[in-house]
Amino acid sequence: DIQLTQSPSFLSASVGDRVTITCRASQGISSYLAWYQQKPGRAPKLLIYAASTLQSGVPSRFSGSGSGTEFTLTISSLQPEDFATYYCQQLNSYPLTFGGGTKVEIK
Amino acid sequence: EVQLVESGGGLVKPGGSLRLSCAASGFTFSAYSMSWVRQAPGKGLEWVSSISTASTYIYYADSVKGRFTISRDNAKNSLYLQMNSLRAEDTAVYYCARDQLGYCSGGSCYSSDYWGQGTLVTVSS
Repeated sequence: DIQLTQSPSFLSASVGDRVTITCRASQGISSYLAWYQQKPGRAPKLLIYAASTLQSGVPSRFSGSGSGTEFTLTISSLQPEDFATYYCQQLNSYPLTFGGGTKVEIK
Repeated sequence: EVQLVESGGGLVKPGGSLRLSCAASGFTFSAYSMSWVRQAPGKGLEWVSSISTASTYIYYADSVKGRFTISRDNAKNSLYLQMNSLRAEDTAVYYCARDQLGYCSGGSCYSSDYWGQGTLVTVSS
């Protein structure tokens, strides 16, 4: 099974900050990666798939990059509604797996 | 508007069974692969199972293989998860999700673009 390791697991940031979250895969997965945002008590929301393709309706301050084993999710200017937990998911092979999550909190 | 509504969760004793349902509307259900994803209280997301449009391809997480069965009824726009031999570690909110077809590095890949609100399954004596 492909393991995904996210870092950091927790980060504290201020509105307007640039935030970067990393996801590392235990083996190469090309660009078979998605990013989700989840707020407390809510279902996850798809932000990015194919490592860098922005899902329709998602603000352009979100971007994804990477290929192979290392990927990043960047929020260019953190907004109040962005405080949430973010998960990566590999789409390369079954069983599909998620990273452990990164919780973004207000500094 | 795409809607996914899960039902069937509840409290069940270890070793018991439960059947979850997911009613889909607002899209052509038969054209989409579907998945179940769960989240234990205070924990991260765990993919459980996926099923292709005509039920030709079915996949399970190792943690549920042999105990859970995913199925769908395209005529009823419904997705199901039959859960048997339930354990305490199966306690979680279970989400059904629609899988959209995308293109990753020139190949097809599926990410979950719409999710239900979730249904809570509690396994406890």
